[in-house]
Amino acid sequence: QKEVEQNSGPLSVPEGAIASLNCTYSDRGSQSFFWYRQYSGKSPELIMFIYSNGDKEDGRFTAQLNKASQYVSLLIRDSQPSDSATYLCAVNLPQLSFGAGTTVTVRA
Amino acid sequence: GAVVSQHPSRVICKSGTSVKIECRSLDFQATTMFWYRQFPKKSLMLMATSNEGSKATYEQGVEKDKFLINHASLTLSTLTVTSAHPEDSSFYICSAYTSGNPFAGADTQYFGPGTRLTVL
Repeated sequence: QKEVEQNSGPLSVPEGAIASLNCTYSDRGSQSFFWYRQYSGKSPELIMFIYSNGDKEDGRFTAQLNKASQYVSLLIRDSQPSDSATYLCAVNLPQLSFGAGTTVTVRA
Repeated sequence: GAVVSQHPSRVICKSGTSVKIECRSLDFQATTMFWYRQFPKKSLMLMATSNEGSKATYEQGVEKDKFLINHASLTLSTLTVTSAHPEDSSFYICSAYTSGNPFAGADTQYFGPGTRLTVL
């Protein structure tokens, strides 16, 4: 079983819609959870982090964490073409375990 | 805050030559730096973890004599690809980590922009 699994993509959503990305992890002791965005040909950039159960909102992004279910998600509201990228879920520190990524395409 | 630079951003070399890639944390001291490689449309693959002043820890399957890592200071780590061959062509990305970074929003790894290596 992989340590971090993400829902398989690609995910295509129309502009203005909500993109929903899911991630599950195997280590029940995990404490730190991150979402990185990676544009094609570029390196990952941190967009969200969450440590506690519940929701965390930052602009159009909402991260949701449920430690009991070992599940973390990312919602992108009012999706824009500039959100088209691969989103990587990552767990734990200092060595991060990454999911394979979900590629999101926002259709104009 | 939490800016990491890499140099060079792109390098093309002949087979058999060695290439050095520098990774610097510009506004914080990184206790740990990581080196990844990524093939097109593939996931990040961790190559090694380096702590300042210590020998790097390599992931299984990564040749330590081929990929030399030096973490000479809290702001600089270098990766040298020795005797590069076409199969070493890839996107190499470093990241830097420190806990309690006052400039960052989160204690996590911050990535450099990457170095695209092409070996002819």
